[in-house]
Amino acid sequence: EIVLTQSPGTLSLSPGERATLSCRASQSVGSSYLAWYQQKPGQAPRLLIYGASSRATGIPDRFSGSGSGTDFTLTISRLEPEDFAVYYCQQYDSSPRTFGQGTKLEIK
Amino acid sequence: QVQLVQSGAEVKKPGASMKVSCKASGYTFTGYYVHWVRQAPGQGLHWMAWINPGNGDTRENQKFQGRVTVTRDTSLSTAYMELSRLESDDTAMYYCARGGPIATLPDAFHIWGQGTMVTVSS
Repeated sequence: EIVLTQSPGTLSLSPGERATLSCRASQSVGSSYLAWYQQKPGQAPRLLIYGASSRATGIPDRFSGSGSGTDFTLTISRLEPEDFAVYYCQQYDSSPRTFGQGTKLEIK
Repeated sequence: QVQLVQSGAEVKKPGASMKVSCKASGYTFTGYYVHWVRQAPGQGLHWMAWINPGNGDTRENQKFQGRVTVTRDTSLSTAYMELSRLESDDTAMYYCARGGPIATLPDAFHIWGQGTMVTVSS
């Protein structure tokens, strides 16, 4: 199975700053079948990015995804108060589908 | 609008089975995969299984050692996930999520249910 490792585990930033989250795969993720989700306390995950770089419906353009192969990045260009949450990457190239362990983005 | 609505919270005893439902609306139920994901309290997300509602084909995560069974009732546009031989470690929020269209390229989970909390306790 493909193991996804996210870093950092926790990221402390202030509103208005830029956030860069990393997701590294144990083997190449074919066709960039890599997604990013945001989860807030008490809520279901919400899809942000699919296909490594395509924004899901209704997602603001301050969210962007990049990368291929084994290294992927989620960038939030200018943090808004509502962006502080936990972020997960997921590969859907092979079975079993796997998720990273998550990055908690907290207010500094 | 497109949505998945799950059944309510449950409390189960160790050794029992649980069955969670996921009712789809706003789209053609048989046209998209349905996946199941669980999340233990304070922990990350773990994929459990998918079902093709069109023909009933399924695939389960082998980490659940044959305890997971996914089914569907097309007349009700509802998918079900049953987990047997429950242990305390099965205490978690269980989510259904809509995958990609059937017989096309793999896709992420664009739509999620609200989650069903299952507590396993003696």
